[in-house]
Amino acid sequence: NAGVTQTPKFRILKIGQSMTLQCAQDMNHNYMYWYRQDPGMGLKLIYYSVGAGITDKGEVPNGYNVSRSTTEDFPLRLELAAPSQTSVYFCASSYPQRGTNEQFFGPGTRLTVL
Amino acid sequence: TQLLEQSPQFLSIQEGENLTVYCNSSSVFSSLQWYRQEPGEGPVLLVTVVTGGEVKKLKRLTFQFGDARKDSSLHITAAQPGDTGLYLCAGHAGGTSYGKLTFGQGTILTVHP
Repeated sequence: NAGVTQTPKFRILKIGQSMTLQCAQDMNHNYMYWYRQDPGMGLKLIYYSVGAGITDKGEVPNGYNVSRSTTEDFPLRLELAAPSQTSVYFCASSYPQRGTNEQFFGPGTRLTVL
Repeated sequence: TQLLEQSPQFLSIQEGENLTVYCNSSSVFSSLQWYRQEPGEGPVLLVTVVTGGEVKKLKRLTFQFGDARKDSSLHITAAQPGDTGLYLCAGHAGGTSYGKLTFGQGTILTVHP
């Protein structure tokens, strides 16, 4: 199994440009998540999905959109890039068990908006 | 909103020293996890603690969940350079939280040879 894969690894955008961060998992996990990680700030949840066709906002959803058409894929869309969106983005997936929720993370996408 | 306060934010020690990282909250969690992250990679789960007062050991790492399930600690004995990395605690509220985790700010540990 490849686990959770993310593309691209790095990207530089100009203010106002759009892009899609790709995320895929091959573990047949129901739940998927998008986080951003800023220095000294831990991980902040942007959006999450509990299954194909079902998504919901996390803690910091403004400026982002998601879709979940299949169990495997969970792309994150930035419509009008802003410098405040410069960050490292992580996708994660999980198959929740009672009382725990181990999340499996991808390697991240480092995005710079200039 | 549940918050997790992690301390210290930075820790720089010599090989062989012991250290403890703390994770505190005013909220109760159904479980608490510790992740380790290396540069350029995503976090990887080290352990999950579920029961109040639970202690788990993973070689030189000891994890404890507070009796009230509001806090946790990670203790490393005789730290080695290979322990260097970012350590994150994450709480799971349980119930209908859809597996969402609340992460602490992280502790950057550097172990010097």
